[in-house]
Amino acid sequence: AQRVTQPEKLLSVFKGAPVELKCNYSYSGSPELFWYVQYSRQRLQLLLRHISRESIKGFTADLNKGETSFHLKKPFAQEEDSAMYYCALSGGGNEKLTFGTGTRLTIIP
Amino acid sequence: GAVVSQHPSWVICKSGTSVKIECRSLDFQATTMFWYRQFPKQSLMLMATSNEGSKATYEQGVEKDKFLINHASLTLSTLTVTSAHPEDSSFYICSARDLRQGSGELFFGEGSRLTVL
Repeated sequence: AQRVTQPEKLLSVFKGAPVELKCNYSYSGSPELFWYVQYSRQRLQLLLRHISRESIKGFTADLNKGETSFHLKKPFAQEEDSAMYYCALSGGGNEKLTFGTGTRLTIIP
Repeated sequence: GAVVSQHPSWVICKSGTSVKIECRSLDFQATTMFWYRQFPKQSLMLMATSNEGSKATYEQGVEKDKFLINHASLTLSTLTVTSAHPEDSSFYICSARDLRQGSGELFFGEGSRLTVL
């Protein structure tokens, strides 16, 4: 069974400080990992995915297969980063997406 | 990016009635759509996978007779909550992939908030 764990429900960080949102997964095959973000009163949207290896809004995430982790990082937090962040896993193709419980990130001015 | 639209955005109904929620892919065709349920301050829980032209695949613990899913066309899936009760009150979200894009990105609707009195 596939499973995604986000250990932190809430995370508060001062503006300008580094941010790390943790995500660990369990999957028997080769997963595709994603980070989705939900800003206040907006729909869920993709932030980034591991296969693209890109940086979006200053965020990066590296898939560590040895530690089965896909932590989300940003070196300098900005106020507009305050949102709900979900780590998600898929088996690829048109497979279903399994979400973690989410982490609410609050950036303190 | 691709757009997924849900209707209605919110609905209030009396206990015992049925409510239908529509999910449309506006600028792409989706052979598969996914229905999620989200309780306040909790994560999205996958309810079922809606397959165009065939029966939906329900997750364990989700009553298929309670949550009827119909995927009659490549751009429309509907979720009907039958004989709704207050415990069915929740935020229902649909999603779909635009398979023209190889990214695997899932696009989400804006969600439908159901309140059962």
